[in-house]
Amino acid sequence: GAGVSQSPSNKVTEKGKDVELRCDPISGHTALYWYRQRLGQGLEFLIYFQGNSAPDKSGLPSDRFSAERTGESVSTLTIQRTQQEDSAVYLCASSLTPLYTDTQYFGPGTRLTVL
Amino acid sequence: GNSVTQMEGPVTLSEEAFLTINCTYTATGYPSLFWYVQYPGEGLQLLLKATKADDKGSNKGFEATYRKETTSFHLEKGSVQVSDSAVYFCALRIIDGNKLVFGAGTILRVKS
Repeated sequence: GAGVSQSPSNKVTEKGKDVELRCDPISGHTALYWYRQRLGQGLEFLIYFQGNSAPDKSGLPSDRFSAERTGESVSTLTIQRTQQEDSAVYLCASSLTPLYTDTQYFGPGTRLTVL
Repeated sequence: GNSVTQMEGPVTLSEEAFLTINCTYTATGYPSLFWYVQYPGEGLQLLLKATKADDKGSNKGFEATYRKETTSFHLEKGSVQVSDSAVYFCALRIIDGNKLVFGAGTILRVKS
C-alpha cells in the first residue's frame, strides 16, 4: 500500500517568509508525528497528533512553528518568518496506533533551505 | 531524561566483514528499542525492533538484542555488503512517551 507522502520534496525560501509543509499519513493510521533533521544530526521531535486528543507540542522550538491535522488525515506544518537556522529536513511519520511498541513509518521528508 | 548514545562514525569495513554498531540508552522504565536505516537518497525506514528485555530483533541479516542489564541494543551483522552502506539510527520510545528519541546516527561505509 501507499506509504507516508510529503510535499514539497524541496523548498527554498527567503529569510522572513512563511512556509507550509504537508504530510499525508498512511491510511488508517491514527497517530502522526513531525520531526526535524538538521545536517549531520539525529532527528528531533516537533509535534504529535493522536485522534481528536490535544496535540503534544512540546518539541516545537518557537512560536513561529505551528501544525494542524484534519481528523486522521492530512497534516500541515507551518513555519512563520523563517530563519536560516530553520534549514533542515522535516520528516513526517505515522503509526497505526499510539502504542509505544508500534512502528513509526516515515515519509521521504521535505528539505527546507532558508536563504 | 531519556537519551540514546551511539558509537561515532564513520565506520568503514570491507565487504564480508563483521559489523557491530554500539547503542546504549538511558530511559525511565523499559522502553521499546528500534534501529532505523537511511540509505543514500532515501527516507528513514525501520530495520528492526525489540519491545521487551531479552527480545531479539532481526531483519536482512541484521540482529540486535534488548539487554536490560547493560541498557544496550547493539546492532550486528555477520557479513556486510556494499549495499549496507547507509546511516543507522538507534532510537527508543518510553511507555508513556509520544515520540521516538534518536541517537545521532552512525555512518557505515562498506568497500568492495
